[in-house]
Amino acid sequence: GDSVTQMEGPVTLSEEAFLTINCTYTATGYPSLFWYVQYPGEGLQLLLKATKADDKGSNKGFEATYRKETTSFHLEKGSVQVSDSAVYFCALKNAGNNRKLIWGLGTSLAVNP
Amino acid sequence: DSGVTQTPKHLITATGQRVTLRCSPRSGDLSVYWYQQSLDQGLQFLIQYYNGEERAKGNILERFSAQQFPDLHSELNLSSLELGDSALYFCASSVAGAHTDTQYFGPGTRLTVL
Repeated sequence: GDSVTQMEGPVTLSEEAFLTINCTYTATGYPSLFWYVQYPGEGLQLLLKATKADDKGSNKGFEATYRKETTSFHLEKGSVQVSDSAVYFCALKNAGNNRKLIWGLGTSLAVNP
Repeated sequence: DSGVTQTPKHLITATGQRVTLRCSPRSGDLSVYWYQQSLDQGLQFLIQYYNGEERAKGNILERFSAQQFPDLHSELNLSSLELGDSALYFCASSVAGAHTDTQYFGPGTRLTVL
């Protein structure tokens, strides 16, 4: 079945460092791909999404490109801030899978000043 | 603020009890989803409703049930509670239910079963 694999955390970076969180997926067809963020004590917020191959989602300085050839949707940010400290979840939704979100396990990011 | 509201924010109860979690979707959204987030199993899809009807079922236990009412709010009922049911329960909503639709999440209800 469909699945999402994220790099394990925790990831610890200094402020202004470059961030990459790897996400790869296994799915039939053409799923939509999402990154959600969960700040401490809060719910899940959509960070960005891409619905077809080669689409780039971007928001708040974060970017991810839907790469069908490598089945990847890696999250990147050029210069992280302390306020980016959160747990990041990669997810996919497939038309043929009851349209439910299938989640990675989440990657915890801590940014130190 | 996603526009999705959930009540209560916290719930503490005992094993064997029954609780009801409530969710109001964003204005205009017809689809509601329920998820469970626990430390050992991560995020798990439980069930989806679309315009009052069950659309998809995930890893939802038989002790759990849900419904979506004519005003589109939804309730998740958890009965015969066990310690292992302690988790964060999220509700999400989307416009319809297409795989390209974005799901917007509520702040969650933290359930603690003692």
